[in-house]
Amino acid sequence: DAMVIQNPRYQVTQFGKPVTLSCSQTLNHNVMYWYQQKSSQAPKLLFHYYDKDFNNEADTPDNFQSRRPNTSFCFLDIRSPGLGDAAMYLCATSRRDRPYEQYFGPGTRLTVT
Amino acid sequence: GQQLNQSPQSMFIQEGEDVSMNCTSSSIFNTWLWYKQDPGEGPVLLIALYKAGELTSNGRLTAQFGITRKDSFLNISASIPSDVGIYFCAGRRAGGTSYGKLTFGQGTILTVHP
Repeated sequence: DAMVIQNPRYQVTQFGKPVTLSCSQTLNHNVMYWYQQKSSQAPKLLFHYYDKDFNNEADTPDNFQSRRPNTSFCFLDIRSPGLGDAAMYLCATSRRDRPYEQYFGPGTRLTVT
Repeated sequence: GQQLNQSPQSMFIQEGEDVSMNCTSSSIFNTWLWYKQDPGEGPVLLIALYKAGELTSNGRLTAQFGITRKDSFLNISASIPSDVGIYFCAGRRAGGTSYGKLTFGQGTILTVHP
């Protein structure tokens, strides 16, 4: 089945220690998104890639970066995680012509100690 | 940022009952979507709506794009235990310029008692 895969499902990192989360997809979608979701809240868009074009949301902290080496893979880098960055990180994909029909991965739960 | 007002915040129902929830905004939306999120998982797209007045079904789920374009409704018929989860409405605000950016409601937590 075509899907969005996120690894790892659970990640523990230390305060200030860089961490990378990964996402891959077999849907062959052109657009990939990264969201942050904190407990009892709706997902919050961090940025997206439209093909190779990176689009940052205005309120996404500089601490968050992303890379998309090819169509299938996308990475979220947190350069210096703070305690406030503990959250579920969700990757999503969509077709170019239906950007609002987004298909989410299972998420990575990040804990910062 | 702009939030959608989703209600109710939570529902406790008996298996077999029908469920209704809605989402409203003070702004006009030109796309409405409904997602379900199970604990510890990502949201799953249930239904997407693109036209005012549109009524779309997905199994036991039916959603409507309100005529005023400021609201949407989701109904679940004959609920079963696996309907448990958080239901989010989401939409694209008319005149919004940010590609792919969804505005989300706060979610409705559904609990189904067997």
